[in-house]
Amino acid sequence: RKEVEQDPGPFNVPEGATVAFNCTYSNSASQSFFWYRQDCRKEPKLLMSVYSSGNEDGRFTAQLNRASQYISLLIRDSKLSDSATYLCVVLLSSNTGKLIFGQGTTLQVKP
Amino acid sequence: DAGVIQSPRHEVTEMGQEVTLRCKPISGHDYLFWYRQTMMRGLELLIYFNNNVPIDDSGMPEDRFSAKMPNASFSTLKIQPSEPRDSAVYFCASSLGLVGEDTQYFGPGTRLTVL
Repeated sequence: RKEVEQDPGPFNVPEGATVAFNCTYSNSASQSFFWYRQDCRKEPKLLMSVYSSGNEDGRFTAQLNRASQYISLLIRDSKLSDSATYLCVVLLSSNTGKLIFGQGTTLQVKP
Repeated sequence: DAGVIQSPRHEVTEMGQEVTLRCKPISGHDYLFWYRQTMMRGLELLIYFNNNVPIDDSGMPEDRFSAKMPNASFSTLKIQPSEPRDSAVYFCASSLGLVGEDTQYFGPGTRLTVL
């Protein structure tokens, strides 16, 4: 079983739609969680951290469920510029810098 | 701010040749990471350094891979001899502190093709 699992998609949605991505992780001791965004043939960039209480940044909302070992990202009112691959990322321990990346979920927003 | 700089951006080589990838981290960042990304395996951490010292190299696939950080502003990842299965995008990233405290910033990557 992979340490971080995501539905690869692609998710094809019209502009203005709401879309949700899910991610599960296998190690219950995982300490920190993130969503990264990667545009085609570019480097990954941090989109947002994910906190236990849930957090929001504009049109983006991230949720964490430690009991179910489940992370989600919700994008509201999607824009053409949201088209990218979204990577679910887990930090196993704060004593190391070892990030575990999911395979990514591809989003394509259509006009 | 220049960000993380990697060179070359593209490398095409033949099996058996030595390949050297280079990275200049963001000035002042104490941590440097080397990652590899393939379609099959996604993004994987190969090795990371703290203050120029290798801390965790458990992700280095085999002895053909080696990484050095001779000073705070330069690191290399070497593959010798290279094989077709090494074809991937290699990213270097740096951070001020450990993840959880500080963000990792990725360079643009080196796209390696081994024929």
